[in-house]
Order: sequence, then structure tokens, then C-alpha cells
Amino acid sequence: ETGVTQSPTHLIKTRGQQVTLRCSSQSGHNTVSWYQQALGQGPQFIFQYYREEENGRGNFPPRFSGLQFPNYSSELNVNALELDDSALYLCASSSYAGTGGWTEAFFGQGTRLTVV
Amino acid sequence: AQSVSQHNHHVILSEAASLELGCNYSYGGTVNLFWYVQYPGQHLQLLLKYFSGDPLVKGIKGFEAEFIKSKFSFNLRKPSVQWSDTAEYFCAAQYSGGYQKVTFGIGTKLQVIP
Repeated sequence: ETGVTQSPTHLIKTRGQQVTLRCSSQSGHNTVSWYQQALGQGPQFIFQYYREEENGRGNFPPRFSGLQFPNYSSELNVNALELDDSALYLCASSSYAGTGGWTEAFFGQGTRLTVV
Repeated sequence: AQSVSQHNHHVILSEAASLELGCNYSYGGTVNLFWYVQYPGQHLQLLLKYFSGDPLVKGIKGFEAEFIKSKFSFNLRKPSVQWSDTAEYFCAAQYSGGYQKVTFGIGTKLQVIP
């Protein structure tokens, strides 16, 4: 177990709807990143939150947004769901180690989102 | 663009066979390298990592990887695989920068036949 927990584990939504996924980071970690893993692909970086602010983003549209809370837990929100958003969404936690570096990322089990 | 390439998408081996999975990463300055494993129905687990120092890195479950800077490679090896090694393996790279973005390869599905 990594100490990173995600909820829910599975979710089915209709195209056009909105979804919120949740993540509790490992104790002592102050950074949360979100990844999308489509079937047959490696995880793709969505964005990272550090000190409650987004400080890095991958190639995902603005309808993917997030929050990080003072206890370092996080949410991923996706608006106007599309069929291609069907994927496993992974949360990873880590800590800023100073001088531009981070500790290794620990991943949760993911939320399987199906858009129909 | 930063990228990670894995050479084999699907590997089938018999138990006790040796394993080598290829991984190449694109140049991007200082880079940390990882191999993750994903067993069926489970979360991504870190097998091993390279940040600096000895280029031969030993990980859990008898796995090791060698960082060859001149070839931009970080191949994963295990001398003798077991049925329980059946899983998907991901090579990943983290380039230095203002945030921690881990770039993953497409993954290699390893099937070990008893």
C-alpha cells in the first residue's frame, strides 16, 4: 500500500456531465499530481498542485481542473465529459525536496471513469 | 519534446528465463529515471529508481536496471523470472524543472508461463 487513496474506484457518467474525483495524499507529502491512463497507454500527466496552487500542466484542455486543500488532499474536476475521457485516473503524491527537486511519486489505485 | 520509448509492448517468457526490457528517453538535461510495475488490478508500484551515482540500480524483487547516459537508455533486467512477475512494466522519466512531471512509456506487458 502506498498511503495514497482515491475515490471512487469506479464511475460511470454520461457525455456532457461533470465529474469530481478525489485523492488523499500520503502522510507528509505536500504535492499532488494527476495522470490519465487510457487503455493500452502509459499514464499521461494532467497537472500538479503544490501549496494549493497548480504549478504545472500537461496537454489537457481547461475543462480539466483541480483543487488542493490545506491538508494536501486534492480533487480533479472534469466538465463537459467526452467519450474519450474514459480512462483510469491516477493520483500521485510526493514532496518538494528543495533545489528544484521532488521525491519519488507514490500512486493511488486510480478511479476508472467510463463515459457513455 | 520529452518522451520515453519502450521497445517491447508484449513479452512472453517461460519461468526461469532471463528478462531484459528496453527503455530509451529523450534528451532533456538532468533526468531521474524509474521503472514502475502494475500487477493486474493493483496500483502502480515503484520497482527502482535512478537519481544519480552508480548507474547500476538494484530494485525490489530481484530487478535491476542500468543507466547508460551515452545511449539515453535505462533497461530493466532480471536474471530469472517467476510466474508472479506477470504484470505491466512502465519506464518513466522525470526531467528537472519547475514541477514534477513524470513522462511514461507506453508500457510492456510481461506474461510468464509456468
